[in-house]
Amino acid sequence: GAVVSQHPSWVICKSGTSVKIECRSLDFQATTMFWYRQFPKQSLMLMATSNEGSKATYEQGVEKDKFLINHASLTLSTLTVTSAHPEDSSFYICSAPDRGSAGYTFGSGTRLTVV
Amino acid sequence: GENVEQHPSTLSVQEGDSAVIKCTYSDSASNYFPWYKQELGKRPQLIIDIRSNVGEKKDQRIAVTLNKTAKHFSLHITETQPEDSAVYFCAASSPGNEKLTFGTGTRLTIIP
Repeated sequence: GAVVSQHPSWVICKSGTSVKIECRSLDFQATTMFWYRQFPKQSLMLMATSNEGSKATYEQGVEKDKFLINHASLTLSTLTVTSAHPEDSSFYICSAPDRGSAGYTFGSGTRLTVV
Repeated sequence: GENVEQHPSTLSVQEGDSAVIKCTYSDSASNYFPWYKQELGKRPQLIIDIRSNVGEKKDQRIAVTLNKTAKHFSLHITETQPEDSAVYFCAASSPGNEKLTFGTGTRLTIIP
């Protein structure tokens, strides 16, 4: 089945620095990638939708200048958390529609800790 | 946009008994309703899904029912086992934008 590879699986960074998270579709072309954030004991909240070759669509309340999303190719979407703060510490996970199964394929997630 | 509500938030069930988790959705255009099981720190794992042209689907001990008129769907787990203990999420998406909206989650605990 379709596989989305997400890296890194965990990262610790200092306040004020930027962190890039990558999601690659390994055996299919992901024209769309959804980025979610999940705080402890909470649900997955959609942050933005990236589309290959066009600007990402952000959900209400998500700062597009802070969470930069790039989808430059059909197999790679990236999320950059800029000027990270401790409150950005969370589990970030990407997901792509799986055209084959008509479901969704999830990356393995990235645990971001900002100190 | 779509709003998905899920109940209960926590559920404890004696091993061997059944567990039922319920979700309601707001967007009548939604046509895909998956259920996910999530272990701590892991990606959601699809356990069963249903589409709007079907009222019920079963896979061994797991079943899902959908009531389009009432806009609610339910997960049924029978003969529960300790390994069923996890957090379960329902979700819904519509054909227009493919966005998957998650419910708030249910922490299921199976008591041996």
